Amino acid sequence: NAGVTQTPKFRVLKTGQSMTLLCAQDMNHEYMYWYRQDPGMGLRLIHYSVGEGTTAKGEVPDGYNVSRLKKQNFLLGLESAAPSQTSVYFCASSPRGGDGYTFGSGTRLTVV
Amino acid sequence: AQSVTQPDIHITVSEGASLELRCNYSYGATPYLFWYVQSPGQGLQLLLKYFSGDTLVQGIKGFEAEFKRSQSSFNLRKPSVHWSDAAEYFCAVGRTGGGNKLTFGTGTQLKVEL
Repeated sequence: NAGVTQTPKFRVLKTGQSMTLLCAQDMNHEYMYWYRQDPGMGLRLIHYSVGEGTTAKGEVPDGYNVSRLKKQNFLLGLESAAPSQTSVYFCASSPRGGDGYTFGSGTRLTVV
Repeated sequence: AQSVTQPDIHITVSEGASLELRCNYSYGATPYLFWYVQSPGQGLQLLLKYFSGDTLVQGIKGFEAEFKRSQSSFNLRKPSVHWSDAAEYFCAVGRTGGGNKLTFGTGTQLKVEL
């Protein structure tokens, strides 16, 4: 099925460890996004990309880095994980003209 | 800066009853508005969207929403709720251009009593 695929679905990290979350979309969408979801806070934008090779900061970018080397992939990296980064991370994509987002199923990350 | 307020954190309705979830937005121009639904452990699914034109928009699963510019609102409605509608609902505001960034509300958790 066409859509947005996130890997892994679950991960537990120790404080200070690093990891990369992968997002892949097969809809040829121009734009891609990383959000984090925390109880009572809705979804907050971490970083986004408007095209291959471009990235930009969102609302809560500190502690994260991203890369979009290929149009279909958007990677989210945590260089030195902190307990405050315990969250559910969602990737989404959208076409250039709007029309809403297509979301992945999320990655539940726990930092201990 | 754009913002979205969903004043109800939790709502409980009986199956078969009508539903209205509230959403108020703040935006400097004509907004693009969305409602998404999230079932437990799942991603968000688009229910409906408003870009322009008719202020009453129809979505999937029997939902509809009405854009009221004078009240800065975009409330979600359903005439008769089904038990399978129990989920969390998010309102979002954004615009095309500038990366189509959306700002989400904090969500309303809907419980359906049988």
